[in-house]
Amino acid sequence: QSALTQPASVSGSPGQSITISCTETSSDGGDYNFVSWYQQHPGKAPKLMIYDVSTRPSGVSNRFSGSKSGNTASLTISGLQAEDEADYYCSSYTGSSTLVVFGAGTKVTVL
Amino acid sequence: QITLKESGPTLVKPTQTLTLTCTFSGFSLSTSGVGVGWIRQPPGKALEWLALIYWNDDKRYSPSLRSRLTITKDTSKNQVVLTVTNMDPVDTATYYCVHTGSYYVLDYWGQGALVTVSS
Repeated sequence: QSALTQPASVSGSPGQSITISCTETSSDGGDYNFVSWYQQHPGKAPKLMIYDVSTRPSGVSNRFSGSKSGNTASLTISGLQAEDEADYYCSSYTGSSTLVVFGAGTKVTVL
Repeated sequence: QITLKESGPTLVKPTQTLTLTCTFSGFSLSTSGVGVGWIRQPPGKALEWLALIYWNDDKRYSPSLRSRLTITKDTSKNQVVLTVTNMDPVDTATYYCVHTGSYYVLDYWGQGALVTVSS
């Protein structure tokens, strides 16, 4: 079964760029090209930000971008803004009966 | 406009069965590729995928909770129901209903429903 590892926290100053990593630490044979990223503000439901590694849904700012190298996917937030302060979760479609696994989440702090 | 809303008890006792209903609008669960599922989040903790049911009645469950979960759909009522048996305090969480239009991308979320397990 796949497991996704994220850093507990990442911080940056307004205007800077930050990157959150998501590493698949094991695999049950699923395709790691189906990575999604979700943003969650306190007390709110998660919001889809990126899917299929790098595709942004309509309405999501182009300051958010996704990429992947090997077994590590990344979410980059450029031009960091105060409103970007939130928890970010990566998830992966495993292609098996498990279907979806989530990372433990990364807290982004805007200094 | 796709919306989903969770409903059910806010408090259940240990060993009881939890029944949550997701009522949705803006799409049909009889459309190919569409699914509705459940995700939960214990207070201060990470998201955990629970179950998902597709338009063709294909059902997927979290392996760790499979024996306790049942997901069903009522297409005519635009509802999906999740039952969780043998509830325990560790099952205290906000339960989210989610839509997927492509098998696994959770593109719309309900507001969530907090369920507390306590005697």
